[in-house]
Order: sequence, then structure tokens, then C-alpha cells
Amino acid sequence: DVKVTQSSRYLVKRTGEKVFLECVQDMDHENMFWYRQDPGLGLRLIYFSYDVKMKEKGDIPEGYSVSREKKERFSLILESASTNQTSMYLCASSSTTGELFFGEGSRLTVL
Amino acid sequence: RKEVEQDPGPFNVPEGATVAFNCTYSNSASQSFFWYRQDCRKEPKLLMSVYSSGNEDGRFTAQLNRASQYISLLIRDSKLSDSATYLCVVNMWGNNDMRFGAGTRLTVKP
Repeated sequence: DVKVTQSSRYLVKRTGEKVFLECVQDMDHENMFWYRQDPGLGLRLIYFSYDVKMKEKGDIPEGYSVSREKKERFSLILESASTNQTSMYLCASSSTTGELFFGEGSRLTVL
Repeated sequence: RKEVEQDPGPFNVPEGATVAFNCTYSNSASQSFFWYRQDCRKEPKLLMSVYSSGNEDGRFTAQLNRASQYISLLIRDSKLSDSATYLCVVNMWGNNDMRFGAGTRLTVKP
């Protein structure tokens, strides 16, 4: 069965802390994505990657960076967390048909 | 103008009703289109792809109107279990850069 696993379901961090969100997929997909989801705004693309060590900015990359050292793993990094980064973060990978498979999400609260 | 726009609803309908959602997109060169379903506190999951000629999957029908740049989702004979948020997704630039609408909330009541 298809599986995208996000490392943490719930995190609480303080302003200025560095935050790592990890995502692993077991489907050998080339493409991986990080979105954030906020009420009324829907899912907004932060970064995506179409190959190992390759990355592209999405709509809202400011304040975030990503790492794709291995095909199955795509990490989202908040160098210095801020309160406006409190959100639900969703990782996804996509098949050749374009279908997106999502992880269960990581709900981050920044105090 | 937002790249992908949906009526947020909420749509509250009785069981057995037919309900339709529309979604407009800004880039006329967009290549592929999808409807996803998201249950409360869950991740989105693919409901159906949208093909140029329109397609049907049981009680669900999806259509694409390229001239007017919108896609639609029709749900017939609504069930309580259809209650969810429906997300319109567009492969906007043809490079797997999937853009989402904000979602339309549907509640089906007994």
C-alpha cells in the first residue's frame, strides 16, 4: 500500500527555534512536495522537488528551506520559526499520473 | 485573481440531493485537473481526475470546460458519507506544480 510518512504529527516550538519536518515515501516517486494548509486559504505550495538534490520554489518559500539528499526523503526546515508559521504542514509525493499521495500532516504551533 | 478559485460554501444538502461545485483556473494552458476529497482532520485524497471529455465514477461526474476555464464536480444521490471538503487541483504550469483551490465544504444531512 502507498505510504507517505511524516515524522511528527504535532509539534510546539518557540519563536526563533530551528524546526525540521521530515517526510518519507516508499513508492519510489520522483516528485515530492511540501504544502501548508490554513483555514480559508487552502493548500499553498512551499517547495517541491523533482529529483534528488533538485528543488523548486512554490508560492510561499520565504522563511523555509528544503533538503532532498535521498529519493525517498524530503525535509522541510524552518531556520528561525515565527508565529505566522503556525500551520498544518502536508508532505506529498506524486506518481507519473500526477496523483498526489499525502502524509497525515504535521501540525506546528509556534509560541 | 487567484490561480484556482472555488466557492467555499458551505453547501448543506439533504440526503439524496444532487449538488454541483465549480472551480475556475487562471492559466489557459493548464494541462491536468483533479478533484480531491478531504475529511475533517485528515489528509486530502484523490477523488477523481478530470478528463477533457468529462468522466463519471458512480455517483460522481467531473467535467472540464477549457473555453471558460472551469471544472465541475456533480454528486448525485448524496450520502451522509459524502460530507467532506472537496478540493479542486490544477497542474498549472505542466511541471507537476499542483495548485489547490481553497476547498468547498459539503454537509449532507439526514
